[in-house]
Parts: sequence; structure tokens; C-alpha cells
Amino acid sequence: KQEVTQIPAALSVPEGENLVLNCSFTDSAIYNLQWFRQDPGKGLTSLLLIQSSQREQTSGRLNASLDKSSGRSTLYIAASQPGDSATYLCAVSGWGDDKIIFGKGTRLHILP
Amino acid sequence: AAGVIQSPRHLIKEKRETATLKCYPIPRHDTVYWYQQGPGQDPQFLISFYEKMQSDKGSIPDRFSAQQFSDYHSELNMSSLELGDSALYFCASSPRDRGLGGYTFGSGTRLTVV
Repeated sequence: KQEVTQIPAALSVPEGENLVLNCSFTDSAIYNLQWFRQDPGKGLTSLLLIQSSQREQTSGRLNASLDKSSGRSTLYIAASQPGDSATYLCAVSGWGDDKIIFGKGTRLHILP
Repeated sequence: AAGVIQSPRHLIKEKRETATLKCYPIPRHDTVYWYQQGPGQDPQFLISFYEKMQSDKGSIPDRFSAQQFSDYHSELNMSSLELGDSALYFCASSPRDRGLGGYTFGSGTRLTVV
């Protein structure tokens, strides 16, 4: 059974710093991995999607990497801003499996 | 660009009542998923549909049922509501080939059972 773990559970950093969020998964036979952002009580916004054959994806100040063999992904946020404060969720889907499995998320707080 | 539309945004029901949540996927997305997110929890998969047929089932209570219609919209029917059913209910859609874009989530329906 696939399990997704995110470390740390919460993180507070001063504005302007670069930071890394970690995600690990137990079954390396994934189809793809997706990072989401969720503001309190709101929906899930897709940030980056990495296919199993890819190593990384970039969008603006965000960079996500994938090491499938070790079951790890990282989300790198450059030059953090207070508007980046949210919960970041990592989710994986398997081959022939519709659903995606979420980690419990990292609550990020950027200090002005 | 069109997104996944969910209605209603908020719903308040009493215990033992029935609720119906609706989801309209992104055009040309033929797969729909339902997730439940309790307070402080990560989203939990309930059920999914592909081409109007149930394709996968997760931790969905027997009191809940869902279907996908010919226009690909989906409805989640919840009966005999319990206080513990209070949660955010998300719908997501994707093309069958998930490599074409992954999953897109709606803004959710917040269900409160009193």
C-alpha cells in the first residue's frame, strides 16, 4: 500500500529565504507525482506535475525534483514571499490506479 | 481556462438528512474523482468514474453513492448524514491519460452536519 510522508509538518522562515519541502513515498512504481498548494479552507491548486520518467519540473520560483528509485521528491521555493504561506501537499498516483495518494502536507509560514 | 466546478460551495444539513453534491469536470476530461478532507486531514479518496462507469473505490461509506452522467458531470449522494461527515468534499477531473495534465481539483463543497 502506497504511503506518502511529508517532512517537516510545519515550517516558518523569514521572507526572502530559499526553502525545501520534502516528500517520500514507499512504492517507487509511481505514474506521476504532483505538488499542490492549499490555502486554509480552500481548494487544491496544482503547482507542478512530474511524470515518472522526468527528474524535475520548474514553474517560476518553484522547482520540483523526483528521484523515483529512492522514493523522494523535493519542492524548492526560491526567494520566499508572505503570499507563499499555505499548506503544500505532495500526491502520487500509481500505474493502472486512478486515485492519487496524498501526504499530510507541510504548513508553510513566511514571516514578513 | 475552464476549471472543475463544484456546487454548492457550502451546505448545512441536519443529522439523518440527505445531501447531493455536484461536480462538472473540465471539458474533455473523462475521469472524475471524489475526495473527502476532514479538518486538519489530508484528502482521502472516495470513488472515481471513467466513461460513466465506476473505476475505483476507496473509503466511501455505504451511505454514500455516486454516479457519472452522459455529459461527464458527477453527483455524490450522501444519506443518513452523521456529524462525522462534516468535511470539505473535493471533486477532481483528469484525462484518461493522466500524463496529459494530471489532476485538477475543484474548490470543494464544505458540508456541515449539525
